[in-house]
Amino acid sequence: GQQLNQSPQSMFIQEGEDVSMNCTSSSIFNTWLWYKQDPGEGPVLLIALYKAGELTSNGRLTAQFGITRKDSFLNISASIPSDVGIYFCAGQLTNAGKSTFGDGTTLTVKP
Amino acid sequence: EAGVVQSPRYKIIEKKQPVAFWCNPISGHNTLYWYLQNLGQGPELLIRYENEEAVDDSQLPKDRFSAERLKGVDSTLKIQPAELGDSAVYLCASSLGPNSYNEQFFGPGTRLTVL
Repeated sequence: GQQLNQSPQSMFIQEGEDVSMNCTSSSIFNTWLWYKQDPGEGPVLLIALYKAGELTSNGRLTAQFGITRKDSFLNISASIPSDVGIYFCAGQLTNAGKSTFGDGTTLTVKP
Repeated sequence: EAGVVQSPRYKIIEKKQPVAFWCNPISGHNTLYWYLQNLGQGPELLIRYENEEAVDDSQLPKDRFSAERLKGVDSTLKIQPAELGDSAVYLCASSLGPNSYNEQFFGPGTRLTVL
């Protein structure tokens, strides 16, 4: 089946630094999604991308839908302590109703 | 407005015992999902409902897992009998519809420990 490779697996950064993580797939998707999950909670959607090449921002977060439709990246600028958590990418085919998730990038921000 | 509600939040059982999880989706959301999340991994879809109909249960281990959404609102996921490998977080999510333009909202999950 479809698999997503998400990297890096974990990151330890200083507050104020920028962060970049990415996700690659062996097959194409029509939609790329980026979620954040805090301990004891479910994932929360950060950014949704619907078109190849699309670049979308949400505050300090920027994500791009790769031209090949097989990859996506997420950047976080000027990290703050509340950015700590696990970030998941997910791919969807438009009407499939099913998201395929990566295994997450765990972000730790040192004050 | 209330989000997706799940109960219990935590459950510890002995292996071979039955267990059930309950989910109440956001009001008006026709699509309901049950996901399994193992430690250190992303969620994996177990079953998706459109109203009361299970439209994708291909990943549900049907020998021991069952689910229902009788009135097209809340849903129950059951495991009988539970095995050690079933220890995980079970997440419920809901959306207005299955189209990817409809955001999935996740509940906090039920953390199951099988001893």
